[in-house]
Amino acid sequence: GNSVTQMEGPVTLSEEAFLTINCTYTATGYPSLFWYVQYPGEGLQLLLKATKADDKGSNKGFEATYRKETTSFHLEKGSVQVSDSAVYFCALSDTEDQFYFGTGTSLTVIP
Amino acid sequence: SQTIHQWPATLVQPVGSPLSLECTVEGTSNPNLYWYRQAAGRGLQLLFYSVGIGQISSEVPQNLSASRPQDRQFILSSKKLLLSDSGFYLCAWSVGWRNEQFFGPGTRLTVL
Repeated sequence: GNSVTQMEGPVTLSEEAFLTINCTYTATGYPSLFWYVQYPGEGLQLLLKATKADDKGSNKGFEATYRKETTSFHLEKGSVQVSDSAVYFCALSDTEDQFYFGTGTSLTVIP
Repeated sequence: SQTIHQWPATLVQPVGSPLSLECTVEGTSNPNLYWYRQAAGRGLQLLFYSVGIGQISSEVPQNLSASRPQDRQFILSSKKLLLSDSGFYLCAWSVGWRNEQFFGPGTRLTVL
């Protein structure tokens, strides 16, 4: 069946460090891929998305590229800020319109 | 623009009491609607989803139920709450095929 696997957290980085959160997926066909962010006590917000192979989603300095050959959608940011501290979820929507979330990766950025 | 509302924002209930959480969506028609639960420090668990009025699919057997009395209204209920029902409940909507879900602000439920 379809699934999303993302790196275990928590992740702690210093401000201005480079961020990578790994996400790989298993799906038949051509799913859409998403990254969501959840700040403490809030709902999930869509951070970025990609709908086909080689698409790059980007928003607020975050980027992720849809890699079909490696079934990956890793989240990256060149220079994190304290305000980026949150939980990040990778997700996919498959050809049956079913949605699958990863387990979430907690990021803490320290000044 | 589309918005999604959930209420209440927080709720403290005794074990064995009933529950009713409400979710409404504005600015879209015939959305798919979802209820998720998030336990403390954990990922998302899909509880129910609905593709139309009166159409409910359950993902996990439990003492919760869901109803969709109107196109943009989704209700999560329980007749008797358990301690294990504590968590953060999120409602979400989507439209179209392979499109993103949009989440509400959530309800923090504590069962004592």
